[in-house]
Amino acid sequence: NAGVTQTPKFQVLKTGQSMTLQCAQDMNHEYMSWYRQDPGMGLRLIHYSVGAGITDQGEVPNGYNVSRSTTEDFPLRLLSAAPSQTSVYFCASSYVWGTVTTPLHFGNGTRLTVT
Amino acid sequence: ELKVEQNPLFLSMQEGKNYTIYCNYSTTSDRLYWYRQDPGKSLESLFVLLSNGAVKQEGRLMASLDTKARLSTLHITAAVHDLSATYFCAVTRGGNQFYFGTGTSLTVIP
Repeated sequence: NAGVTQTPKFQVLKTGQSMTLQCAQDMNHEYMSWYRQDPGMGLRLIHYSVGAGITDQGEVPNGYNVSRSTTEDFPLRLLSAAPSQTSVYFCASSYVWGTVTTPLHFGNGTRLTVT
Repeated sequence: ELKVEQNPLFLSMQEGKNYTIYCNYSTTSDRLYWYRQDPGKSLESLFVLLSNGAVKQEGRLMASLDTKARLSTLHITAAVHDLSATYFCAVTRGGNQFYFGTGTSLTVIP
């Protein structure tokens, strides 16, 4: 199994450009989520989804959009990149039973630089 | 807003020594997780702690949870170089939102 696959691994954008970070999982996980990791701040939740057609905001959603049209895919869109969005982005997925979420399975991350 | 604090942020220890990493969280949560991250790599799950008094052990690492104090500890016994990594705790609220601590960067010196 591939697990959680993120593309691209590295990306450089200019301020104002848009792009989509891709995330796919092959474990049939209901729960998928996006985090950004910044030095000294741990990981912060951007958006999450508990199933196809269902998304919700996390701690730091501004400047990011998501959609969940299939169980497998959960893309993250930056509509107009800003230098403050320079970060490492992780996608993660897990099973959900009722209100219980199992440990997250993480992708390998996307390192994004906005100049 | 749920806040998760870890200390210390940086830890340098000699091989063979014992040490404890602390994770405090501000409000009631569903469960607590510990993750490990090697430099430039992704995160892997170490432990899930479900209830007050829970203790989990894997090799030289032991995690415990005190929900009344809103405190979890990750104890390292007789550290070895392979344990050098960044360790994160995380809590969930409402089952779906994970809140991570700032991480503890551990360096084990031979």
